[in-house]
Amino acid sequence: SQTIHQWPATLVQPVGSPLSLECTVEGTSNPNLYWYRQAAGRGLQLLFYSVGIGQISSEVPQNLSASRPQDRQFILSSKKLLLSDSGFYLCAWRGGGQKETQYFGPGTRLLVL
Amino acid sequence: QKEVEQDPGPLSVPEGAIVSLNCTYSNSAFQYFMWYRQYSRKGPELLMYTYSSGNKEDGRFTAQVDKSSKYISLFIRDSQPSDSATYLCAMSSGSNYQLIWGAGTKLIIKP
Repeated sequence: SQTIHQWPATLVQPVGSPLSLECTVEGTSNPNLYWYRQAAGRGLQLLFYSVGIGQISSEVPQNLSASRPQDRQFILSSKKLLLSDSGFYLCAWRGGGQKETQYFGPGTRLLVL
Repeated sequence: QKEVEQDPGPLSVPEGAIVSLNCTYSNSAFQYFMWYRQYSRKGPELLMYTYSSGNKEDGRFTAQVDKSSKYISLFIRDSQPSDSATYLCAMSSGSNYQLIWGAGTKLIIKP
């Protein structure tokens, strides 16, 4: 069965510091991968998605970037965090075929102070 | 106007009641419809998946899609306190690998 991991679970970072969040998927190959951000009490905002190694599409202009160095690894980064980057970051995967369902990791709660 | 509208609630009902959660949408190209449940501080989990119109039942949960009205519903029978969570609808046309999300409805089941 497929499993998706995210770490760290919680992170407190000062403004201006760098960020690296990692997501890995097990039990599937060539998944579509997604990074979302969820503000408190709000819906999901798609940040990036990837259909393959090295292929990244950005949905929202911001100071974040994403990379996919391996088939089942997706990384979210920032060189300098802003207060507004605080939120709940979720990674998701989608398999091939017609079904459009996405499956989520446990999330990383980021607080920028 | 947002592509998907969902009342954020909170919706508070007594234990054992039938719950009705709804989303409306504007894009007639949507044909894949999903409901996710999200507990506090957790990732969303897929609850129901429906392709095109019709009903789908899974235990106490029933998902309905009315494409003519651009309206989808999730019904929960015999609601339990453990059903207290935020319920998000999501939908897709299947053309661009993305889901369009509702804002989520916070549901509270009172014992």
